[in-house]
Amino acid sequence: AQKVTQAQTEISVVEKEDVTLDCVYETRDTTYYLFWYKQPPSGELVFLIRRNSFDEQNEISGRYSWNFQKSTSSFNFTITASQVVDSAVYFCALKIQGAQKLVFGQGTRLTINP
Amino acid sequence: KAGVTQTPRYLIKTRGQQVTLSCSPISGHRSVSWYQQTPGQGLQFLFEYFSETQRNKGNFPGRFSGRQFSNSRSEMNVSTLELGDSALYLCASSRSTNLGPDTQYFGPGTRLTVL
Repeated sequence: AQKVTQAQTEISVVEKEDVTLDCVYETRDTTYYLFWYKQPPSGELVFLIRRNSFDEQNEISGRYSWNFQKSTSSFNFTITASQVVDSAVYFCALKIQGAQKLVFGQGTRLTINP
Repeated sequence: KAGVTQTPRYLIKTRGQQVTLSCSPISGHRSVSWYQQTPGQGLQFLFEYFSETQRNKGNFPGRFSGRQFSNSRSEMNVSTLELGDSALYLCASSRSTNLGPDTQYFGPGTRLTVL
């Protein structure tokens, strides 16, 4: 069975601070895919990034960066110079090859204070 | 390109009733998945349809069912509603031809309240 753990339930920081959201996953499958989604108060899950298990390259997109480490089964997400608009619940998710089901972590509620 | 749309956005029902939720996927997407989100259980996979066939199913009772039409639009039905069915129901679509690297894009959800 697959499992995703986001140990941080809530994080609150002041605007312009850097913040890292942790994600640890469990799977016995060798081919799998990891995702981050953002859920603003409106409720819709917004796709941020997908990472394949065979590609451990870190990725940077503007103020967002992701650190994928298979050795520690982690896929952490960092927001640099946070902004109030980054306030949302962030979910890490896992999908294995051959199945469509996304397994989600419990989410991290991020609050950026002005 | 239009995103995933879900109707209705809000629903209030009473215990014992049944409800049907609708989802229209992104144009060209043939897979539609449904998820239930509750404060206690988080986001849980209900089922997935591809080419009008249920291809994957989560651990939900038979009261939860769905179908997909030839235009890829999907509906899910919950019969004999229980208080615990109150949740945000999210629909996601993807191209998903081979269950490999594939991104699901979500709609705004239908918030169901059971009284």
